[in-house]
Amino acid sequence: EAGVAQSPRYKIIEKRQSVAFWCNPISGHATLYWYQQILGQGPKLLIQFQNNGVVDDSQLPKDRFSAERLKGVDSTLKIQPAKLEDSAVYLCASSLVSQNTEAFFGQGTRLTVV
Amino acid sequence: RKEVEQDPGPFNVPEGATVAFNCTYSNSASQSFFWYRQDCRKEPKLLMSVYSSGNEDGRFTAQLNRASQYISLLIRDSKLSDSATYLCVVGSPGGSYIPTFGRGTSLIVHP
Repeated sequence: EAGVAQSPRYKIIEKRQSVAFWCNPISGHATLYWYQQILGQGPKLLIQFQNNGVVDDSQLPKDRFSAERLKGVDSTLKIQPAKLEDSAVYLCASSLVSQNTEAFFGQGTRLTVV
Repeated sequence: RKEVEQDPGPFNVPEGATVAFNCTYSNSASQSFFWYRQDCRKEPKLLMSVYSSGNEDGRFTAQLNRASQYISLLIRDSKLSDSATYLCVVGSPGGSYIPTFGRGTSLIVHP
């Protein structure tokens, strides 16, 4: 079974530039998560989708971050404009449903803002 | 108080030792609990779910204490390959079910 696919694996941008990350979840998984993991910390949930609807985005910095999952499958996360403190690994995860089920993670996109 | 708290460690133990980690959570309505393992520069992977009755998988035992709002992970007979960061995840009801990670506990097993 194919896992969660993310691209790109690495990205280096200058501050104030824009960047987008892409995620393809495991086929049939209704729930999709975007997490931000800063070095030395645990993953922080940015946004959670159930199919194509947002169920939680309370920790998403909406002035610069946006995410969509238009057809309930693939998802993109965008940062515009980027700040130095956005340097982190952005992890996408998916699960069949949300409660009491395992979330499978992609390998992440390592973003460096210089 | 943070929603999910873990001692970041590192826990530095010799091979064969028994080591235990705790993770406390603040939301008493939390419904589901997991331990994930994360190797350096890799993605988190599920280690085990934590059930109310506790569960065991080989050398690993996970327990839940709802009264004191913490979960624990016990690793017996530590191996070098157990060296990793162990993340606890607590699922709390929100608009749907919101999983929150702790910051992780680093374990280093040395010869």
